[in-house]
Amino acid sequence: DTAVSQTPKYLVTQMGNDKSIKCEQNLGHDTMYWYKQDSKKFLKIMFSYNNKELIINETVPNRFSPKSPDKAHLNLHINSLELGDSAVYFCASSQDEGTGELFFGEGSRLTVL
Amino acid sequence: AQKITQTQPGMFVQEKEAVTLDCTYDTSDQSYGLFWYKQPSSGEMIFLIYQGSYDEQNATEGRYSLNFQKARKSANLVISASQLGDSAMYFCAMIPAPYSGAGSYQLTFGKGTKLSVIP
Repeated sequence: DTAVSQTPKYLVTQMGNDKSIKCEQNLGHDTMYWYKQDSKKFLKIMFSYNNKELIINETVPNRFSPKSPDKAHLNLHINSLELGDSAVYFCASSQDEGTGELFFGEGSRLTVL
Repeated sequence: AQKITQTQPGMFVQEKEAVTLDCTYDTSDQSYGLFWYKQPSSGEMIFLIYQGSYDEQNATEGRYSLNFQKARKSANLVISASQLGDSAMYFCAMIPAPYSGAGSYQLTFGKGTKLSVIP
């Protein structure tokens, strides 16, 4: 069983479209995250959720919105996609908010044309 | 704010030899945690090793060890007996006050070092 799974793995879309990436973890962890990895491999946190409450919200455009129906799921919705949104988006989870031992999904490569 | 610096964009090592990947950090926190992650070409991120700022001994996990020098604010990763499967990007990361319950945690990553193991 995959511990942290995210879908789709690849996503190609046009500028201006709206898209979602889904993430599920079966580890029973309390905290989930979304990270963005740019073309230079730099990883930056976007959001984290702890027990369905947003606890970190970095300065990302409000076109990005995390949605967590329950503590096992943290989906990422992106409105009005722009070229600069092209990146690999990683979902991750951790036991709680105090640990840096993260379990990552395989990443979702988003390409905006 | 925390900052992680990895000065080696790329490194080469001969198979079966040891290699050290450098990581320095900057923080005003008294308590923090340091991590190394591996990202193979397949793209997934894999946790390797953790060092707490108050841990007196350097962390080890199999062939991985963390050379922690608190006064110099460095947390270098040492991989012994390199294998071809070690070829990957390696990221150093830190988190402030891991067990203080202060809330608002953020794992900050360095820009990574690409390690290539030569047969």
